Amino acid sequence: NAGVTQTPKFRILKIGQSMTLQCTQDMNHNYMYWYRQDPGMGLKLIYYSVGAGITDKGEVPNGYNVSRSTTEDFPLRLELAAPSQTSVYFCASSYATGSYSNQPQHFGDGTRLSIL
Amino acid sequence: AQKITQTQPGMFVQEKEAVTLDCTYDTSDQSYGLFWYKQPSSGEMIFLIYQGSYDEQNATEGRYSLNFQKARKSANLVISASQLGDSAMYFCAMRVFRNQAGTALIFGKGTTLSVSS
Repeated sequence: NAGVTQTPKFRILKIGQSMTLQCTQDMNHNYMYWYRQDPGMGLKLIYYSVGAGITDKGEVPNGYNVSRSTTEDFPLRLELAAPSQTSVYFCASSYATGSYSNQPQHFGDGTRLSIL
Repeated sequence: AQKITQTQPGMFVQEKEAVTLDCTYDTSDQSYGLFWYKQPSSGEMIFLIYQGSYDEQNATEGRYSLNFQKARKSANLVISASQLGDSAMYFCAMRVFRNQAGTALIFGKGTTLSVSS
């Protein structure tokens, strides 16, 4: 019953460092997503993928990169960490859906990232 | 532009009372889905309930129901018989089309619910 697994759970980075947030799901979902949640705010979409090899930008993609080489994995890369990227990052997945579909997105537990 | 608005930053309710969390949405699409998620202080996102734009009946899931008024573009969450464990942040979200034929959720800013004994 793993669902969506994110690692690490917490991380502190220095300005200018890079890192990769890992996300893997075992539900054979086609769609995967990365969101960020700033304090007191809702989630905003960073990138999403509709299948292996297919990714696209969301609302706030600047400063991030993604890749999707397998159905299971969808890592998020920060190349040059900036204080504005301090946030909680959520990975999610779902079956391929239309806008009317009742299939929910399943979320990981989040990665709390601080840039100092 | 597609948007979700939650106007109540915080709500307070006593145990066993019912509470309504407001959500309004803006979209020009005819086909869409609305979701409510719960985020406890531990941080995980828990799916609660779904309402489709063509559904004629309001959705219900246990103590959760969705008061869907399509003409007013509102999808309020009603929690009956509140429990201490209902204390959390609640997010309303709408599934929208993205490029590449995919869909994603857009979220409101959330409402913090506090249940007291």
